[in-house]
Amino acid sequence: AQTVTQSQPEMSVQEAETVTLSCTYDTSENNYYLFWYKQPPSRQMILVIRQEAYKQQNATENRFSVNFQKAAKSFSLKISDSQLGDTAMYFCAFISDSGGSNYKLTFGKGTLLTVNP
Amino acid sequence: DTGVSQNPRHKITKRGQNVTFRCDPISEHNRLYWYRQTLGQGPEFLTYFQNEAQLEKSRLLSDRFSAERPKGSFSTLEIQRTEQGDSAMYLCASSLGLAVETQYFGPGTRLLVL
Repeated sequence: AQTVTQSQPEMSVQEAETVTLSCTYDTSENNYYLFWYKQPPSRQMILVIRQEAYKQQNATENRFSVNFQKAAKSFSLKISDSQLGDTAMYFCAFISDSGGSNYKLTFGKGTLLTVNP
Repeated sequence: DTGVSQNPRHKITKRGQNVTFRCDPISEHNRLYWYRQTLGQGPEFLTYFQNEAQLEKSRLLSDRFSAERPKGSFSTLEIQRTEQGDSAMYLCASSLGLAVETQYFGPGTRLLVL
């Protein structure tokens, strides 16, 4: 079974600064996908960024980028130029790419990020 | 709005009552998922559908829970004889196709069992 660990329950950052959220995972599989989802106070989960494990290049999406270390099973999210609207709960999630399991997202417990003005 | 929608957004019920939630996925999405999220936790997988077929159920889904997707479009999740431990946010998500696709989430239904 896969597990996802987010070791930082809460973090805060000043507006316009950079922050990194940590995520580690455990799996015996070689093919999988990793995601960061954002859940603002309104509670709708929104995809932030997605990484395919077979890709060595780290995914980027505007101010959001990841540092994917497959051997270390680490998948951190970097938010640059933090904005007040980035305040949210951030979840790291894993999904297998094996035919029998490619439907179930496994989430970490989340990191509550607060961006201060 | 063409995203995933869920109704109702909030539900308060008394222990022992039955409740039903509805999820309308993004129209062309074949897969539909239900997750449960309790306070301070990440969402946990409950079940999923490929079109109208329910292909997997988590052990979290006791016999009091039933889900349907009768025509491969909207889905309902029913909880019979609710218990206080059922209080949670119930999230629906949908995705396109057979491969690993990004799951798009609805706003959730928050259930409080008194």
